Amino acid sequence: DTEVTQTPKHLVMGMTNKKSLKCEQHMGHRAMYWYKQKAKKPPELMFVYSYEKLSINESVPSRFSPECPNSSLLNLHLHALQPEDSALYLCASSFPGGFQPQHFGDGTRLSIL
Amino acid sequence: AQKVTQAQTEISVVEKEDVTLDCVYETRDTTYYLFWYKQPPSGELVFLIRRNSFDEQNEISGRYSWNFQKSTSSFNFTITASQVVDSAVYFCALSSGTYKYIFGTGTRLKVLA
Repeated sequence: DTEVTQTPKHLVMGMTNKKSLKCEQHMGHRAMYWYKQKAKKPPELMFVYSYEKLSINESVPSRFSPECPNSSLLNLHLHALQPEDSALYLCASSFPGGFQPQHFGDGTRLSIL
Repeated sequence: AQKVTQAQTEISVVEKEDVTLDCVYETRDTTYYLFWYKQPPSGELVFLIRRNSFDEQNEISGRYSWNFQKSTSSFNFTITASQVVDSAVYFCALSSGTYKYIFGTGTRLKVLA
């Protein structure tokens, strides 16, 4: 079992829907990440939160909106997504600092109809 | 510019064979960290090892071993006596202190019974 929990595991949504992905960790990590991974590709960084503040936004379209309500939770709000946004979305967490190993969840497999 | 190259896209071996996964990196930084992650079909990336640029000692953990050579900018990963459970995609990654990993393209390992 992974120590980073993501829900839901699978999500199918239409382009006009609004949904949210959730991520939770209880390892005391103060950095949390969202990645997008397409098939047969490495993960692509989307957002990084450090101490609950947005630290990195890799020029992600505004239809993806991250939120970090507290040090254990990370959300990704989705609205008006496009078919090309279908992918595996991975959450990760780590102790602060870029040299720290990141610990990943199982991911949410998202399909946009 | 920083780059990680995993030239082997896919490797197939028969169970109990030894296999080496290659990783070559490029960076101008003197301080950096290298990582290996395993991604089984279930989706989560599992952290395997971290090595910093000042520590060229090889490491062994059970059937896994890592060979770090700064002279050739390589950080290779060997699995001894491979098992079917080793079947996964393996990613090598580089960090120079920011939260953003530079991932290689991954090597898919298939271990056949």
